[in-house]
Amino acid sequence: EPEVTQTPSHQVTQMGQEVILRCVPISNHLYFYWYRQILGQKVEFLVSFYNNEISEKSEIFDDQFSVERPDGSNFTLKIRSTKLEDSAMYFCASSPGQGTGGSPLHFGNGTRLTVT
Amino acid sequence: AQTVTQSQPEMSVQEAETVTLSCTYDTSESDYYLFWYKQPPSRQMILVIRQEAYKQQNATENRFSVNFQKAAKSFSLKISDSQLGDAAMYFCAYRGNAGNMLTFGGGTRLMVKP
Repeated sequence: EPEVTQTPSHQVTQMGQEVILRCVPISNHLYFYWYRQILGQKVEFLVSFYNNEISEKSEIFDDQFSVERPDGSNFTLKIRSTKLEDSAMYFCASSPGQGTGGSPLHFGNGTRLTVT
Repeated sequence: AQTVTQSQPEMSVQEAETVTLSCTYDTSESDYYLFWYKQPPSRQMILVIRQEAYKQQNATENRFSVNFQKAAKSFSLKISDSQLGDAAMYFCAYRGNAGNMLTFGGGTRLMVKP
């Protein structure tokens, strides 16, 4: 069964550094998402992406964050200047289409980001 | 804004027994979708079951079934014949008909005792 793959599985970075988290969504999916989960807390929506542009974003997704689909397969999340509070598990997800809100999201295994 | 609440931070069940995880939500929409996701120690989020709000019939997937009470805005997950591999965090999630965003509850950690 096709999977969403994320790399790296664990990223350690120093405060103030830029970090790029990478995702390869399922190939025929059209919608792409980033979620994050701070340790011990709920999973939070960051951003959704369709047709090469952001379709929806949360308050968390401020100017420090950006997303890009640089080619036909990768979907990246960039944090420009990391803060300690950015430490979290970041999940990429994709779905086949919006048609209805019932299209299930398929999640990757996550990237654990640790900011020191 | 929609909110999803899981009132049980932890639950435990004996292997082969049945357990029910609770979820309530708040919305002003009439058309929406509800999901249960499982997150094992590997951290991957795995879809367990999905319910369309316009369907009165409760969704069922093998040992997993839901009790969807639209008027009460309740969406509980029943796991029958619990297995050791069911031990995980379980998240209830809401998605509106037009939107992209999944709103998650805080999760319930399920422990299965052999």
